[in-house]
Amino acid sequence: DAKTTQPNSMESNEEEPVHLPCNHSTISGTDYIHWYRQLPSQGPEYVIHGLTSNVNNRMASLAIAEDRKSSTLILHRATLRDAAVYYCIPGAYNTDKLIFGTGTRLQVFP
Amino acid sequence: DTAVSQTPKYLVTQMGNDKSIKCEQNLGHDTMYWYKQDSKKFLKIMFSYNNKELIINETVPNRFSPKSPDKAHLNLHINSLELGDSAVYFCASSLYRGLNTEAFFGQGTRLTVV
Repeated sequence: DAKTTQPNSMESNEEEPVHLPCNHSTISGTDYIHWYRQLPSQGPEYVIHGLTSNVNNRMASLAIAEDRKSSTLILHRATLRDAAVYYCIPGAYNTDKLIFGTGTRLQVFP
Repeated sequence: DTAVSQTPKYLVTQMGNDKSIKCEQNLGHDTMYWYKQDSKKFLKIMFSYNNKELIINETVPNRFSPKSPDKAHLNLHINSLELGDSAVYFCASSLYRGLNTEAFFGQGTRLTVV
């Protein structure tokens, strides 16, 4: 399983973009990069995932480095509701389990 | 309409008791999971079932026994509860096996053993 390194915490102001980095230098060539977030007192929630190309969805964008050893989750305009712990999770497509690390706690200020 | 629902939301019980947590998903998914989040907030998988068949059993004490009566339900029974079992337990489901299908989590069951 690839190890991940994420900042313990980050801060943002509302309506500003947020870039959440993740290092996964031991990622294997077939591992996808998944991002989940956990809002306070809730279960984790899927955000986005990708393999090599950058990915966009209604929640966020995922920028994956060319060497795939790092990725960045981009929230284009943070809202108060985006305050959560964000987990970067590399994993093979045929793996059955999400391996959560310590994640990044994002605080969003009005 | 809740996609993955767990009951109860809170459970306080004494050491040595036996308790169950129920989970139901109305998404038509094939795969269901139990995760445990301890007091330090580490989330770890415990079990996974696919079409009622156990596919993951992560070195969990055998006091924990999952049961899947059908694809939509995965219950967790815990015997002889210990203080260290206090945690938040999350049920989840996904359309099929593998990580390339979004996992949907329930709201969690906070278990406190006193």
